Amino acid sequence: ETGVTQTPRHLVMGMTNKKSLKCEQHLGHNAMYWYKQSAKKPLELMFVYNFKEQTENNSVPSRFSPECPNSSHLFLHLHTLQPEDSALYLCASSQVTGFRGGPGELFFGEGSRLTVL
Amino acid sequence: GDSVTQMEGPVTLSEEAFLTINCTYTATGYPSLFWYVQYPGEGLQLLLKATKADDKGSNKGFEATYRKETTSFHLEKGSVQVSDSAVYFCALSDPTAAGNKLTFGGGTRVLVKP
Repeated sequence: ETGVTQTPRHLVMGMTNKKSLKCEQHLGHNAMYWYKQSAKKPLELMFVYNFKEQTENNSVPSRFSPECPNSSHLFLHLHTLQPEDSALYLCASSQVTGFRGGPGELFFGEGSRLTVL
Repeated sequence: GDSVTQMEGPVTLSEEAFLTINCTYTATGYPSLFWYVQYPGEGLQLLLKATKADDKGSNKGFEATYRKETTSFHLEKGSVQVSDSAVYFCALSDPTAAGNKLTFGGGTRVLVKP
């Protein structure tokens, strides 16, 4: 496998369910990201992990809980979501070359389409 | 903070028409600039980038020039094809920030009709 893969591609859940989104990157990168893409809104950065350490939490509600067990895997645990959380959740990875970041290119997965009923 | 503004769509064109998508930015430093493209049902792919003023990024017939004086990075293609139908995102990356955090514009949907 190559690139960034996300599972599941589609998820429908009730407001009381607990589910997880999974992301795996096969590019040898050291940073991973979760973005939220909602209709008619700009892409929103949710979380950033550099070298498995969370370096950014963009005021995301606690019902979203990220986990990065190693530099190749990233999870987004979901619980007690709201209908307005329905969106496409995009995972990305990049190579950070130092404190000052790097070339800036992110490699995205195809996304997990979440529908909260 | 940093921000990116791009023209709203949808933009509807005929095949072989000229495409321009405007993008302007505000940033405190000297950002790197990107255009990403999202085809239907897919994630975002890097289309082109420029890392300093007057750089021109190009790929697949698309071009954009980093204009520091006008804080712009407009995307152009001289002759579009139906396969160019997608959503295009302008983005910037602050090289002084830890990690690669992209700030995206709202996206411009382009529809090319045969």
